Amino acid sequence: KNQVEQSPQSLIILEGKNCTLQCNYTVSPFSNLRWYKQDTGRGPVSLTIMTFSENTKSNGRYTATLDADTKQSSLHITASQLSDSASYICVVSATGGGNKLTFGTGTQLKVEL
Amino acid sequence: EPEVTQTPSHQVTQMGQEVILRCVPISNHLYFYWYRQILGQKVEFLVSFYNNEISEKSEIFDDQFSVERPDGSNFTLKIRSTKLEDSAMYFCASRDPPKTQYFGPGTRLLVL
Repeated sequence: KNQVEQSPQSLIILEGKNCTLQCNYTVSPFSNLRWYKQDTGRGPVSLTIMTFSENTKSNGRYTATLDADTKQSSLHITASQLSDSASYICVVSATGGGNKLTFGTGTQLKVEL
Repeated sequence: EPEVTQTPSHQVTQMGQEVILRCVPISNHLYFYWYRQILGQKVEFLVSFYNNEISEKSEIFDDQFSVERPDGSNFTLKIRSTKLEDSAMYFCASRDPPKTQYFGPGTRLLVL
């Protein structure tokens, strides 16, 4: 069964600090991995998307890495801002099946002053 | 920037009633999806739709659920006889390959 696990479940950091969120997946056959940001009560918004051949992708202060051999990904947030407070969700897509996405449970990040 | 829109933003209904959740995907997208998120839980796939038919559905998407693209712009999710456990946030998404899926803001459904 396809699964996506994330850690930590929640995280509190001070504004300006960096943090790294982890994702492990067992999705086969692997197509791509995305990181989404979801504000409370809103739909997920895509941050990065990586295919099998890519091992890093940046989007502003967000940098995602992918190790397809160990089936692990990380999302690094630099110089955090209060507006970064949200749930960060790792989502993996398998080939075929109309791009069905398997979602992780998310890491709830809170950035404080 | 074009975006997926959903209506209503909130829906309260009595158990056993039918509800229709509406979505307007991004205009040139060809793939459409419904997901749900029960409060405090992860987002779950319900169904994908392409070329006017269901391409894949999850075990959650039983006979009580149906989807339709009644015209060129709307994409609807119907729940025939709602149950308490259908209470959740329902997200519509659309996609224009090879780009990623774009999600709507969601409809919060509460079944009493």
